[in-house]
Amino acid sequence: IAGITQAPTSQILAAGRRMTLRCTQDMRHNAMYWYRQDLGLGLRLIHYSNTAGTTGKGEVPDGYSVSRANTDDFPLTLASAVPSQTSVYFCASSESRAYPPFGYTFGSGTRLTVV
Amino acid sequence: AQSVSQHNHHVILSEAASLELGCNYSYGGTVNLFWYVQYPGQHLQLLLKYFSGDPLVKGIKGFEAEFIKSKFSFNLRKPSVQWSDTAEYFCAVNEPRDDKIIFGKGTRLHILP
Repeated sequence: IAGITQAPTSQILAAGRRMTLRCTQDMRHNAMYWYRQDLGLGLRLIHYSNTAGTTGKGEVPDGYSVSRANTDDFPLTLASAVPSQTSVYFCASSESRAYPPFGYTFGSGTRLTVV
Repeated sequence: AQSVSQHNHHVILSEAASLELGCNYSYGGTVNLFWYVQYPGQHLQLLLKYFSGDPLVKGIKGFEAEFIKSKFSFNLRKPSVQWSDTAEYFCAVNEPRDDKIIFGKGTRLHILP
């Protein structure tokens, strides 16, 4: 089934540890995104990639990094986790050249708790 | 920068009641507009979208939304809600030349059986 796979589903992480959240899509979408979802704040964009080899900063990029070595994978790395990064993380993708716009396809999310 | 405002943070309705969730956006130019739904414990799913043409857009599960350009609004409606509509609803917008979608803070809808 075409879509986005995120791993892990959930994780408890000690503060100061490094963590990479994985995201893989099989739809050959050129654009990919990472959002965090927090109660009362909705979804906030962390980083995005319009195409393989390029990345950009979103609304809340501090403490996070991404890479886009190929079309399918868009990992999100927390270099040194802090409790304020406790959140649910959603990866999404879109075919940015499509018209009419399809909107995003979302992954199932990763629930991260930093203690 | 674009912003999206959802007026209701939490709405409680009884089954068969009519629903209208407000959404306003800040950009005055051409926009694409979306409503997403997130059922408990699940990821976001597209409910409906507007990009051009008829300002009254019909989506899945009996939902519709009306784009009113003069009011910068894209309110979501459903004539008769069901218990299964309990979810969080997000309004979202993007400019056609920018792939990034900006989301509102969401409205939690709770339907009483």
